[in-house]
Amino acid sequence: LAKTTQPISMDSYEGQEVNITCSHNNIATNDYITWYQQFPSQGPRFIIQGYKTKVTNEVASLFIPADRKSSTLSLPRVSLSDTAVYYCLVGDSPYNQGGKLIFGQGTELSVKP
Amino acid sequence: GAVVSQHPSWVICKSGTSVKIECRSLDFQATTMFWYRQFPKQSLMLMATSNEGSKATYEQGVEKDKFLINHASLTLSTLTVTSAHPEDSSFYICSALGSSGRTDTQYFGPGTRLTVL
Repeated sequence: LAKTTQPISMDSYEGQEVNITCSHNNIATNDYITWYQQFPSQGPRFIIQGYKTKVTNEVASLFIPADRKSSTLSLPRVSLSDTAVYYCLVGDSPYNQGGKLIFGQGTELSVKP
Repeated sequence: GAVVSQHPSWVICKSGTSVKIECRSLDFQATTMFWYRQFPKQSLMLMATSNEGSKATYEQGVEKDKFLINHASLTLSTLTVTSAHPEDSSFYICSALGSSGRTDTQYFGPGTRLTVL
């Protein structure tokens, strides 16, 4: 399973765009990149998943360069409620590695008014 | 869609007793579920992989006789903490593997806070 590296913490202000970059140098060909958000005393919530280039949904965008050794989660116009820990995970299909995900330390995002 | 529930949301028990935590996928079937443990200010630690109809696969260092996992149906997995001790106090989170389109994704339950006195 590919190891991921993220900044431990980030600060931002309401209304700003936040970009969290994750390094995964040993990503395998079959690996997908998934981002989760976790609030205190809650289970992680799925944000977005991608394999290459750019993926966008109603809450975030995920940018993946051609070499796939890193990825960037972009949160547009953050609000106070976006204060949480964000995890970047790299995993294979369940048919190869049983769908296991190994969580790193995550990035603690603090949004200030 | 892809909702996972856990019961109970919190439990307090005496040392030496056993506690059962349920994990259910409410609107999809999950042949694979996972159990995690999370201590304060730390990341999630994978404990075991639960496959419907077969024995669970435990991560290194996790005692299979202490953390009993049963995945009896496609929508239910249970984790029983046997002879619980204060050091077992933690936040236990389950997840179920569901389809998000091109690949499968883990959807997480809300977690269960276990406090052992």
